[in-house]
Amino acid sequence: SSELTQDPAVSVALGQTVRITCQGDSLRRNYPSWYQQKPGQAPILVMYGKNSRPSGIPDRFSGSSSGNTASLTITGAQAEDEADFYCNSWDNSDNNAVVFGGGTKLTVL
Amino acid sequence: EVQLVESGGVVVQPGGSLRLSCAASGFTFDDYTMHWVRQVPGKGLEWVSLIDWNGRITYYVDSVKGRFTISRDHSKDSLYLQMNSLRTEDTALYYCAKAYHSQTISSFTFDYWGLGTLVTVSS
Repeated sequence: SSELTQDPAVSVALGQTVRITCQGDSLRRNYPSWYQQKPGQAPILVMYGKNSRPSGIPDRFSGSSSGNTASLTITGAQAEDEADFYCNSWDNSDNNAVVFGGGTKLTVL
Repeated sequence: EVQLVESGGVVVQPGGSLRLSCAASGFTFDDYTMHWVRQVPGKGLEWVSLIDWNGRITYYVDSVKGRFTISRDHSKDSLYLQMNSLRTEDTALYYCAKAYHSQTISSFTFDYWGLGTLVTVSS
C-alpha cells in the first residue's frame, strides 16, 4: 500500500513562516488534504485540493505540491496554530483505501 | 449545522463484538460517502473503512478486513461499524467523518468529524 511520510515534529518562532511536508507516491496523482488536531479535540480540515481553505480557516494557511511532495505553509504562525497536523490521500496502489501520514507536531516558540 | 455523534464505545474483552453508531444531521446523508477513522490515544490517525452514499460499496483497511463491517441506514441518517473478533490493537478512539465531495467514492477530504467514541479491548 502507499504510505505518506511526515516529519514527526517541527517548530517555528511566533510570527515566522513554517512549512509542514507530506511525501508519498499517491501525491503524484492527488493533492492531499490537511487536518489540524489540538489536544483532546477532533481533527479539523484546514486545506484540500490544490490550495483550497474551508470557510473559517485563516489565509495564513496555504498549500502547494510538486512531484511526490506536498506542503502546508503557515505564514506568520500564531500561538493558536500549535497542534498536530496530518495529511491524507487516496491510495493509488492496488488497495482501495485512504491513507494518512503519521502526523507532524508543530510547536510555536 | 452539520453534526456527527458517535456512540457505542465500551470496554470489551479480546474476541468480543461491538457495534458503533454515528448519528448524522444537518446535511443530506444520502448524498455522501462516510468513513470511520480511529486513533490510538497519543498516536496518529488511521483510516478504517468507508461506505459509499448508496451503501453498496465498502472498503476496509487490511487489518480489519473480515472482522469489521460498515453499514448505513438512510431512514435513520446513521452510520454503523460492526466490530467482531476484537483485538487489543483495536483499542482506539473511533471517529466517523463525512466526505467533502458528494457522490464520490474516492473523496478522502473529510470536512466534518464527530468527537469520537472510545473502544477499549482488554481482558
